[in-house]
Amino acid sequence: DSGVTQTPKHLITATGQRVTLRCSPRSGDLSVYWYQQSLDQGLQFLIQYYNGEERAKGNILERFSAQQFPDLHSELNLSSLELGDSALYFCASSVDRALGGYTFGSGTRLTVV
Amino acid sequence: TQLLEQSPQFLSIQEGENLTVYCNSSSVFSSLQWYRQEPGEGPVLLVTVVTGGEVKKLKRLTFQFGDARKDSSLHITAAQPGDTGLYLCAGLDYMFGNKLVFGAGTILRVKS
Repeated sequence: DSGVTQTPKHLITATGQRVTLRCSPRSGDLSVYWYQQSLDQGLQFLIQYYNGEERAKGNILERFSAQQFPDLHSELNLSSLELGDSALYFCASSVDRALGGYTFGSGTRLTVV
Repeated sequence: TQLLEQSPQFLSIQEGENLTVYCNSSSVFSSLQWYRQEPGEGPVLLVTVVTGGEVKKLKRLTFQFGDARKDSSLHITAAQPGDTGLYLCAGLDYMFGNKLVFGAGTILRVKS
């Protein structure tokens, strides 16, 4: 157990639908990062939150949004889902400077059918 | 755009052999990190290198950060089947809000 909890572990949904992925960071970590991992794209950075505020944005589609709540858990919302959104979605957390690295959760495998 | 290129993409070797994985970029990073990922799990941090020219050893694994802080290598001595997995290098740049940029990874398979 890495200390980062992601739910659900698996999600199967139809095109056009909306899903919410949840992440609880490791205790004491204020930064949360979301990554998408697919076979052809590797690990792609989506978005970072620090203590409730958005800090950095990557290649996140407009159909996707995220937020970090006062208790530091984070949610990634994916809407108008397409087949190409099928991937592993990872949440990671770190202390501010991240020199100690990220701690990743086990991921959510999203399958869009 | 910061890019990290890893080579080789795939490596299949016999138990006991040595191997080196390379991670190269045209960008300078504050630090480089190496992760190992197993199927169905998230990446797990192996090491962070910060200083140009730095060498770190972790049992049979040796990590090196290039003098210019643009490249890194991972050398495994006497590989074992338990070393099988996806090895990822990642560059950290404080200018980009502590965002880690990942290479595409090297899939290592060690046969017994």
